Amino acid sequence: GQNIDQPTEMTATEGAIVQINCTYQTSGFNGLFWYQQHAGEAPTFLSYNVLDGLEEKGRFSSFLSRSKGYSYLLLKELQMKDSASYLCAVKDSNYQLIWGAGTKLIIKP
Amino acid sequence: IAGITQAPTSQILAAGRRMTLRCTQDMRHNAMYWYRQDLGLGLRLIHYSNTAGTTGKGEVPDGYSVSRANTDDFPLTLASAVPSQTSVYFCASRSGTSSLDEQFFGPGTRLTVL
Repeated sequence: GQNIDQPTEMTATEGAIVQINCTYQTSGFNGLFWYQQHAGEAPTFLSYNVLDGLEEKGRFSSFLSRSKGYSYLLLKELQMKDSASYLCAVKDSNYQLIWGAGTKLIIKP
Repeated sequence: IAGITQAPTSQILAAGRRMTLRCTQDMRHNAMYWYRQDLGLGLRLIHYSNTAGTTGKGEVPDGYSVSRANTDDFPLTLASAVPSQTSVYFCASRSGTSSLDEQFFGPGTRLTVL
């Protein structure tokens, strides 16, 4: 079966750095996405990785290792507005997205 | 309108009733999707459409139907609602011109079936 695992919840301090991990087992791989979802709102796109390595976009970076079935999202200089759920999704062999359950990130002052 | 709109925002429905959730996008995207999101579970694909005139079944299609008569609209119908269909429903679209393009989501419809 297809499976994407993320921690359910994480807590971090404002101004700090946090790393959210995602491991996956899917039928085929055509890219990995990270989305942010604030409570009561729709998911919004953050990043996309299809090749191994690190993609940096401002305070957010995403890393992929296809051989390990592993990705992480790194958030630097945390702000209170970063409190949200972070969703990992893999595009499978049918080009459909398979979604993890999401990681709820709580930022404390 | 800009992006994707969904209607209604929320709805309370009696079991057994028929309900259509509306989704409209103005980005001329080829592909559209319907997901449900339940607490503790990831987004689950109900139905999708890669282009106007075609539809396909996702992971959890039972009890739902869709149509794609034109590029902009992708309604989701619950023929006879059951309490297990209580969920938040998101419509999404992507341009479909590249395998790399991301999905854009509508604001969601919160549906409660009693």
